[in-house]
Amino acid sequence: AQTVTQSQPEMSVQEAETVTLSCTYDTSESNYYLFWYKQPPSRQMILVIRQEAYKQQNATENRFSVNFQKAAKSFSLKISDSQLGDTAMYFCAFIRETSGSRLTFGEGTQLTVNP
Amino acid sequence: GAVVSQHPSRVICKSGTSVKIECRSLDFQATTMFWYRQFPKQSLMLMATSNEGSKATYEQGVEKDKFLINHASLTLSTLTVTSAHPEDSSFYICSAPTGAREPDTEAFFGQGTRLTVV
Repeated sequence: AQTVTQSQPEMSVQEAETVTLSCTYDTSESNYYLFWYKQPPSRQMILVIRQEAYKQQNATENRFSVNFQKAAKSFSLKISDSQLGDTAMYFCAFIRETSGSRLTFGEGTQLTVNP
Repeated sequence: GAVVSQHPSRVICKSGTSVKIECRSLDFQATTMFWYRQFPKQSLMLMATSNEGSKATYEQGVEKDKFLINHASLTLSTLTVTSAHPEDSSFYICSAPTGAREPDTEAFFGQGTRLTVV
């Protein structure tokens, strides 16, 4: 079974600063996909960034980037130039290559961006 | 991007009654949809996989007779909470993979349904 662990229940950052959210996972699969999802107060799940395990290059999406360390099974999310709208619950998630979109989520990190 | 619509967004029902939640893919067909449950300030837990034209696949510990899933068409899956009790109160979210990528790992989520059983 796959597990995803987020060890930071809550984090806060000042507007315009950078923050890193941690995620570790455990799997015996050789190929898989990792995601960060954002859930703002509206509760709508929004995909932030996606990483294929077979790609060594870290994914980036504008102000969001990941540090993917496959050997360490670590997948952290860096948010640069934090904005008030980034305030949300952030979930790290995992999909096996053969399981379609069947996601396993971490416990979540509540990020608050302070003005 | 693809749109998944979930209805209703909020529902309050009396204990012992049944409630139906709909999940629709508005601009794509989904042979598979997923139903998640989320307790306050907790993560999403997969309840079941809804399969068009066949029975749903339930995760371990999920009562299939309480949480009835019907995937009536390629754009609609329904979750019916039968004989609801206060402990069934939760936030229910559906998701549907778009089939736009290979392997099919991209899914979009509905807005969620907050169920309160009184």
